[in-house]
Amino acid sequence: TQLLEQSPQFLSIQEGENLTVYCNSSSVFSSLQWYRQEPGEGPVLLVTVVTGGEVKKLKRLTFQFGDARKDSSLHITAAQPGDTGLYLCAGARWKTSYDKVIFGPGTSLSVIP
Amino acid sequence: EPEVTQTPSHQVTQMGQEVILRCVPISNHLYFYWYRQILGQKVEFLVSFYNNEISEKSEIFDDQFSVERPDGSNFTLKIRSTKLEDSAMYFCASSEWSYEQYFGPGTRLTVT
Repeated sequence: TQLLEQSPQFLSIQEGENLTVYCNSSSVFSSLQWYRQEPGEGPVLLVTVVTGGEVKKLKRLTFQFGDARKDSSLHITAAQPGDTGLYLCAGARWKTSYDKVIFGPGTSLSVIP
Repeated sequence: EPEVTQTPSHQVTQMGQEVILRCVPISNHLYFYWYRQILGQKVEFLVSFYNNEISEKSEIFDDQFSVERPDGSNFTLKIRSTKLEDSAMYFCASSEWSYEQYFGPGTRLTVT
């Protein structure tokens, strides 16, 4: 069974602080996505990383894909209350004609003003 | 910007009743999915659909569930005889490439 683990499960920080959340697996993925989900809404795609070691930046968010393509991290600089939400990673593995995507359980982030 | 839409936003039904949840994927997307999320729990994969057939389904997706793409725009999830434990948010997603999925806003299903 392929599993994606995310840590920490919950994170509560003050506005302006930096943070890093992690996504880990024993499986190799062809790509990995990060989503943010707010209560009562659907996950919103933030980024896709494909190449081992790849780093992508989206404003104050920095995403890194591990060299072995088994793990990823999301770093937020100077967190703001608008960053509050559930951060989900999703790993994709190619299966003949489509990618099988599995989701991690998420990291729930709360940024306190 | 194109988006996935879902109707209804909230569906209340009695146990044993059939429900159909509707989704309109992004128009040029080829891969379609249903997920569910029980309150406070993780997003769970139900089924993926490509080239007019199911490409994969999870153990949750038993004989009570079915999917259909009745025309060129809609993608539906039917639950034949709802159970209390089917109460959840149901999300439709679509993708042009099979890994980068775009989610709809969800349908909250409440089974009483």
